[in-house]
Amino acid sequence: AQSVTQLGSHVSVSEGALVLLRCNYSSSVPPYLFWYVQYPNQGLQLLLKYTSAATLVKGINGFEAEFKKSETSFHLTKPSAHMSDAAEYFCAVRKNSGGSNYKLTFGKGTLLTVNP
Amino acid sequence: SAVISQKPSRDICQRGTSLTIQCQVDSQVTMMFWYRQQPGQSLTLIATANQGSEATYESGFVIDKFPISRPNLTFSTLTVSNMSPEDSSIYLCSVGRPNTEAFFGQGTRLTVV
Repeated sequence: AQSVTQLGSHVSVSEGALVLLRCNYSSSVPPYLFWYVQYPNQGLQLLLKYTSAATLVKGINGFEAEFKKSETSFHLTKPSAHMSDAAEYFCAVRKNSGGSNYKLTFGKGTLLTVNP
Repeated sequence: SAVISQKPSRDICQRGTSLTIQCQVDSQVTMMFWYRQQPGQSLTLIATANQGSEATYESGFVIDKFPISRPNLTFSTLTVSNMSPEDSSIYLCSVGRPNTEAFFGQGTRLTVV
């Protein structure tokens, strides 16, 4: 079974500061890992994904994440926060295995606040 | 990618009634899923909507409460039956393909009064 732990339900940064959102996973098989963003009153939008290729993954809006197997982590970073980055961020995991198991397991989410 | 349309986008319903949520995808997909997001919470998978067969429900969710239809590879419905205020949530439709990410609809924001 897979699980995801997001450390910090709320992260607050100043505009222009580094954004670091933490995600640790547990999986019995090689995982696929995802970061999704949810803006207020909207659905989920994919930021980036790890699917066993490059361990450093670049996504949209200047975000990137690094898959570290030894630490079972997939932390999300952005060098300089913008006001528009304020949203809820979800880390998710699913099996990277044969068959049709595309179900996602989500973390509890991290609310990012950006202060002017 | 896949474009997913969900209807209605929001609704306010009386307790004891039922609401059917529709999910339309712009292309054929193998897997369709329904998630619930309770206020301030993460997403929880309700069920996998299987085309041509009964949906597969996750622990804690039952067909009598959340009947699902999947008549073809581009459409599914989720019904929330005999609603109570505890059913107030965002319900999201999602689709998946092999070796790609999951795509989500905009969600249906349900308030039960």
